[in-house]
Amino acid sequence: DAGVTQSPTHLIKTRGQQVTLRCSPKSGHDTVSWYQQALGQGPQFIFQYYEEEERQRGNFPDRFSGHQFPNYSSELNVNALLLGDSALYLCASSLRPFGGQVLEQYFGPGTRLTVT
Amino acid sequence: EDQVTQSPEALRLQEGESSSLNCSYTVSGLRGLFWYRQDPGKGPEFLFTLYSAGEEKEKERLKATLTKKESFLHITAPKPEDSATYLCAVYAGGSQGNLIFGKGTKLSVKP
Repeated sequence: DAGVTQSPTHLIKTRGQQVTLRCSPKSGHDTVSWYQQALGQGPQFIFQYYEEEERQRGNFPDRFSGHQFPNYSSELNVNALLLGDSALYLCASSLRPFGGQVLEQYFGPGTRLTVT
Repeated sequence: EDQVTQSPEALRLQEGESSSLNCSYTVSGLRGLFWYRQDPGKGPEFLFTLYSAGEEKEKERLKATLTKKESFLHITAPKPEDSATYLCAVYAGGSQGNLIFGKGTKLSVKP
């Protein structure tokens, strides 16, 4: 059973450029969440997708956008990159909350983005 | 504002020396508390979910407990392979969105 996969593993971009990161969820999961993790910090929630729509969003600017495809895979796009966007970007998959109960999220290995 | 605080920031143990990590939380309406393990440069690995005060979960040398204000991750007779950063996260389901993580406790176990 394949877990959560992300691509690419590493990426180096220049300020002002745009980047797209990709994620395939764990088999059987329909919900994808994206997180940004700066060095020495816990992950910070960016947004969550299910049924191909953004359902929740954290405190991130509109430069961060996403998409979910019919096969549940997802993309994270970041426009006009800033030096401060350098971080580990994590994708997590889960089943959507139901009956008031929230289920655990399973994380991928992450994409290390460096902005120079 | 919902927040999660983990202590200590770093913990050094000798192999076999048991200890506990703390996760204090302030949320309006806890819907779940999660523990993860993260190795350097990798994604967090799920360990436990706790939903209500008094609940306990165990896995090998790890045991997680939950009260109304905090959670503990107890490590019994740790081994060097238990060295990692342990992250605590809560889901409040409110305006702050999804999981809210603490900064983690970096555990080092020396042989």
